[in-house]
Amino acid sequence: GENVEQHPSTLSVQEGDSAVIKCTYSDSASNYFPWYKQELGKGPQLIIDIRSNVGEKKDQRIAVTLNKTAKHFSLHITETQPEDSAVYFCAATWYGGSQGNLIFGKGTKLSVKP
Amino acid sequence: GAGVSQSPRYKVAKRGQDVALRCDPISGHVSLFWYQQALGQGPEFLTYFQNEAQLDKSGLPSDRFFAERPEGSVSTLKIQRTQQEDSAVYLCASSLRLAGSETQYFGPGTRLLVL
Repeated sequence: GENVEQHPSTLSVQEGDSAVIKCTYSDSASNYFPWYKQELGKGPQLIIDIRSNVGEKKDQRIAVTLNKTAKHFSLHITETQPEDSAVYFCAATWYGGSQGNLIFGKGTKLSVKP
Repeated sequence: GAGVSQSPRYKVAKRGQDVALRCDPISGHVSLFWYQQALGQGPEFLTYFQNEAQLDKSGLPSDRFFAERPEGSVSTLKIQRTQQEDSAVYLCASSLRLAGSETQYFGPGTRLLVL
């Protein structure tokens, strides 16, 4: 089955700096890769996703890149702000069928220092 | 509009008690998932419903776990004879159409503590 590994487990940056979180996946059939942000006491919230037919996607300060050959994808946050502090999870799944349960990484705790 | 809601938000149970956790998905969403999130870990899949049909329960850790969605909307996750290792946050997610091609929207979770 699919396995997703995520690095680093913790990341501390100064406000205004960039943050990069990396994930690798094992199942080459996976073709949908969402990123979720989870704040303390809340459920995961989708912040950006990418499908395997594109290599990069950007939404304001957030971007995701995908390398299918190497089976890894990354989240890039630019101009970080204190409110970006949270735990970020990457996930992978195969879409197009009747299933689609997400396989999550173990999370990255991002701290943005003012 | 209203998102996914879950109740109770917190539940403390004595070992051996039965518990029932409720999920109200976004209205009209066909697919519903349950995930278990241990402290400091990512969510792990438990089970999946498409309308009222439970199509996958491969993630349920034991036969003490049971889920239902009888009318294709509200779902209940039941844990019988709770054990300490059942302590976790239980997350519910729903998506509009068939799973796998739609964004999954998560509820706030139910934090279960088994003493």
